[in-house]
Amino acid sequence: GQQVMQIPQYQHVQEGEDFTTYCNSSTTLSNIQWYKQRPGGHPVFLIQLVKSGEVKKQKRLTFQFGEAKKNSSLHITATQTTDVGTYFCAPLVGNTPLVFGKGTRLSVIA
Amino acid sequence: DTEVTQTPKHLVMGMTNKKSLKCEQHMGHRAMYWYKQKAKKPPELMFVYSYEKLSINESVPSRFSPECPNSSLLNLHLHALQPEDSALYLCASTPGGGRYGYTFGSGTRLTVV
Repeated sequence: GQQVMQIPQYQHVQEGEDFTTYCNSSTTLSNIQWYKQRPGGHPVFLIQLVKSGEVKKQKRLTFQFGEAKKNSSLHITATQTTDVGTYFCAPLVGNTPLVFGKGTRLSVIA
Repeated sequence: DTEVTQTPKHLVMGMTNKKSLKCEQHMGHRAMYWYKQKAKKPPELMFVYSYEKLSINESVPSRFSPECPNSSLLNLHLHALQPEDSALYLCASTPGGGRYGYTFGSGTRLTVV
């Protein structure tokens, strides 16, 4: 399956600070999905990016897909304690099944 | 109904036991998946069913045996497991193929003793 590098592995932020996680691939991706998994929970689909240079927003979350379709980022503005969890990118090449990046574990200190 | 339902939520089994995990969805999704997740690791793909046929088996040991009796139901039969098989087993579904967001069930937390 498609391998990506997701960084950072961990991020501790003060509530109200911003947070960004990055997903980088050595090959061109068809599309990329992002998931959030709360502690003790299951992955929940957040968004799918398909187009080169695409930017999508969901309230305080901003998702970007690189122009070359080899990297992606998720940015959270003004983190809240409800943002705690692990954020996974999951790249897709062709019609292959979802393969997750290693994830970025976010903790938010109130 | 926009959920994937997994039962049981927790399972403790001995290494000589036979047990089954169940996954059900009523969204009309035609692709269903089993993933295994160890603590602090990403989910790892085990099996893919597409239109009720096994399309991918990611070199999973034969002590794990998947079954798809119909388009709404996916089972994972377990036999002679090892303690290292203890993990969260997640079921997911999509309308078809990998170009849709996956809907995951809440998982079965399996402990092998």
